[in-house]
Amino acid sequence: GAGVSQSPRYKVAKRGQDVALRCDPISGHVSLFWYQQALGQGPEFLTYFQNEAQLDKSGLPSDRFFAERPEGSVSTLKIQRTQQEDSAVYLCASSLSAYSPLHFGNGTRLTVT
Amino acid sequence: DQQVKQNSPSLSVQEGRISILNCDYTNSMFDYFLWYKKYPAEGPTFLISISSIKDKNEDGRFTVFLNKSAKHLSLHIVPSQPGDSAVYFCAANFGNEKLTFGTGTRLTIIP
Repeated sequence: GAGVSQSPRYKVAKRGQDVALRCDPISGHVSLFWYQQALGQGPEFLTYFQNEAQLDKSGLPSDRFFAERPEGSVSTLKIQRTQQEDSAVYLCASSLSAYSPLHFGNGTRLTVT
Repeated sequence: DQQVKQNSPSLSVQEGRISILNCDYTNSMFDYFLWYKKYPAEGPTFLISISSIKDKNEDGRFTVFLNKSAKHLSLHIVPSQPGDSAVYFCAANFGNEKLTFGTGTRLTIIP
């Protein structure tokens, strides 16, 4: 398909484990965003890339969270030493340019036990 | 500090009637507003947007109204259809592309 693809769809991790979440944006989309959505809440901004440059990481909740997009396409969000409060749906979105609407993937639901 | 607020967690409307979803914001710097629709187990889907230089934008059954002085926007859906049942998120940004979302309103269309 031509949409934003995220994998895995579901991830269960034991507290203290590291996890890596993958996002394949729409081909040609310059901007890529990661959002975290807790149950019953709206998506909350984590970080933003323009091509391979991480322009804003102000929403990352702690230094356990790390994101990269080395070649300006696929992005990975890594969470080290997961905690229960990290349990959420992690959404990736891409857009063609500034002020273009975001296209979201279906998210990865992370459950930390 | 919730900069974008959707004070109604849920709304039920009869099929064929008008659905009105409301959103308030506190940050006067916001200059672009969007509505997203979300079905269960899917990501949000862009619905309609409005720039702060306008007060209305219409796309088929969907119209967004912006009242800058009141820092309020609303989404009107008419006529409402069963497929409109979803969670609707209001979002806003200014310049830096980072969207701030509200907490969502679950709309249920009653056949």
